[in-house]
Amino acid sequence: DAEITQSPRHKITETGRQVTLACHQTWNHNNMFWYRQDLGHGLRLIHYSYGVQDTNKGEVSDGYSVSRSNTEDLPLTLESAASSQTSVYFCASSAGTGSTSTDTQYFGPGTRLTVL
Amino acid sequence: EDKVVQSPLSLVVHEGDTVTLNCSYEVTNFRSLLWYKQEKKAPTFLFMLTSSGIEKKSGRLSSILDKKELFSILNITATQTGDSAIYLCAVVNSNSGYALNFGKGTSLLVTP
Repeated sequence: DAEITQSPRHKITETGRQVTLACHQTWNHNNMFWYRQDLGHGLRLIHYSYGVQDTNKGEVSDGYSVSRSNTEDLPLTLESAASSQTSVYFCASSAGTGSTSTDTQYFGPGTRLTVL
Repeated sequence: EDKVVQSPLSLVVHEGDTVTLNCSYEVTNFRSLLWYKQEKKAPTFLFMLTSSGIEKKSGRLSSILDKKELFSILNITATQTGDSAIYLCAVVNSNSGYALNFGKGTSLLVTP
């Protein structure tokens, strides 16, 4: 069955370290998204991509970067982890290309990141 | 700036009760509104609404959109303990591509 996976599921790191969270989907979706979820804020958009080599900044992109070298993967990198980046991170994907894209997104299981 | 406001923020009901969750929005160029259910982990898709007044229904869950008054409701009838979850509302602004703009969610607890 097609799915979207994230790894690791849990990670503890130290302030200042570089961290990469993986997201892999087997639906062949062009559109992929990263959100973070914090108490009191709901889900907020970090970065997104509409296809290979395409990346865009979301609402809370400072301190994060993404790259899209193939359709299946959109890794999220924290360049220098900060305690404010302690959160649960969700990857999502949706089908279509350009004007044929659908708004319905399907979410991965999440990564709980703690920055000490 | 787009806004999505959900109410109430939390709710406790008894099994068998009917609940109504609210989502109001301000979006410059509205395209769609989506409802998700989040239990311990990933949000799972419930409904997408794009046209006003049309009810989407799945079992005991239903939702309707009012584009004139800029809100949506999610109804759950004959609630069960398995309905306990956070319910998330999100809107899509055509000016912002395909990203979802979420409200803070409503936490529903159904007690036996």
